[in-house]
Amino acid sequence: SQKIEQNSEALNIQEGKTATLTCNYTNYSPAYLQWYRQDPGRGPVFLLLIRENEKEKRKERLKVTFDTTLKQSLFHITASQPADSATYLCAPQGRGGKLIFGQGTELSVKP
Amino acid sequence: NAGVTQTPKFQVLKTGQSMTLQCAQDMNHNSMYWYRQDPGMGLRLIYYSASEGTTDKGEVPNGYNVSRLNKREFSLRLESAAPSQTSVYFCASSVRTGKYQETQYFGPGTRLLVL
Repeated sequence: SQKIEQNSEALNIQEGKTATLTCNYTNYSPAYLQWYRQDPGRGPVFLLLIRENEKEKRKERLKVTFDTTLKQSLFHITASQPADSATYLCAPQGRGGKLIFGQGTELSVKP
Repeated sequence: NAGVTQTPKFQVLKTGQSMTLQCAQDMNHNSMYWYRQDPGMGLRLIYYSASEGTTDKGEVPNGYNVSRLNKREFSLRLESAAPSQTSVYFCASSVRTGKYQETQYFGPGTRLLVL
């Protein structure tokens, strides 16, 4: 069955550093991959989408890569700030349209 | 725009009781979804509705029913609540941004505790 894996352990980094979060998938060939941010007690919020034919996508301090050979996406936040602290969810998407969400990685940025 | 709204925000039920979770969106989206989120499990799709008048099962539909009342509203019903249904429930709606691409917009969630 399709499986999505994200770092289960929380990621703790110092303000100003680059945070890198990993999303691996198996038994799946998504056409797209989305990343969402979720704050405690709130619903997820869409951040970025990358297509299977795109290697990299950027939006302000965010960068996403998509390696269909490794079946992996990396999500980078450069110059991280305490306000970036949240849980980040990856969600590969097939051509049928439905998303499959990973369990999320909690990021904590310390001042 | 209120986006996606959900009621209630929090509910406590006894085993065997029934309840309906309400969801509404004001973004004119065709597709709507119900997810549950449990610690360490991520978001799991319960039911979805690709358009008004249609509903389909997701990954974990057992114990739930849904109604797509109109384009705006999509409700989730628990006929006989069980402790295993203790969870946080999220409603979402989506807009198509490409041939197959859809971006989802989530509500604030309903926290359900079944005793």
